Amino acid sequence: KQEVTQIPAALSVPEGENLVLNCSFTDSAIYNLQWFRQDPGKGLTSLLLIQSSQREQTSGRLNASLDKSSGRSTLYIAASQPGDSATYLCAVRPLTGANNLFFGTGTRLTVIP
Amino acid sequence: NAGVTQTPKFQVLKTGQSMTLQCAQDMNHEYMSWYRQDPGMGLRLIHYSVGAGITDQGEVPNGYNVSRSTTEDFPLRLLSAAPSQTSVYFCASRGGRETQYFGPGTRLLVL
Repeated sequence: KQEVTQIPAALSVPEGENLVLNCSFTDSAIYNLQWFRQDPGKGLTSLLLIQSSQREQTSGRLNASLDKSSGRSTLYIAASQPGDSATYLCAVRPLTGANNLFFGTGTRLTVIP
Repeated sequence: NAGVTQTPKFQVLKTGQSMTLQCAQDMNHEYMSWYRQDPGMGLRLIHYSVGAGITDQGEVPNGYNVSRSTTEDFPLRLLSAAPSQTSVYFCASRGGRETQYFGPGTRLLVL
């Protein structure tokens, strides 16, 4: 069974700092990987989706990379802002089997003004 | 375009009661799914549907039923609520580009 791990569980940084969130997964046979943002008491918002054949995706100040062979993905946030404070979740879709996503438990990010 | 909507936002049940969590999407997505989110655990798939009339079990299906009579709606039924079903429930739909769209969630407390 695919297992997804996100370390650290929580992170606090001063405003303006660049930061990296980590995601690792145990089975490299994946279809794609997604990064989501979750605000307290809210649903999940998709930030970036990386297909298994891709190495990275960028959207604004966000850049996600994928190293499928080592089972790792990173989410890079440039010039962090207080509005970036949220929980960030990564999820992988296996190449075969059920259509579900396997989620990590998330990294709770706090950007201090 | 409302995306994925869920009702109710919050519900308290007594053990043994039944209820239906509603989910609707207006994006004409074929794939819909239900997840539960519990503290310290990642979201886990309960049931999913790849189109009207087609449903299948996910990772944690026991105690839940689903049906898909239309493309838009995918209700989740709790047959006989148990305290272990206290959780936050999210409905999601997926389009052709694989991006998943999540609803705002339903917080369920079973006493």
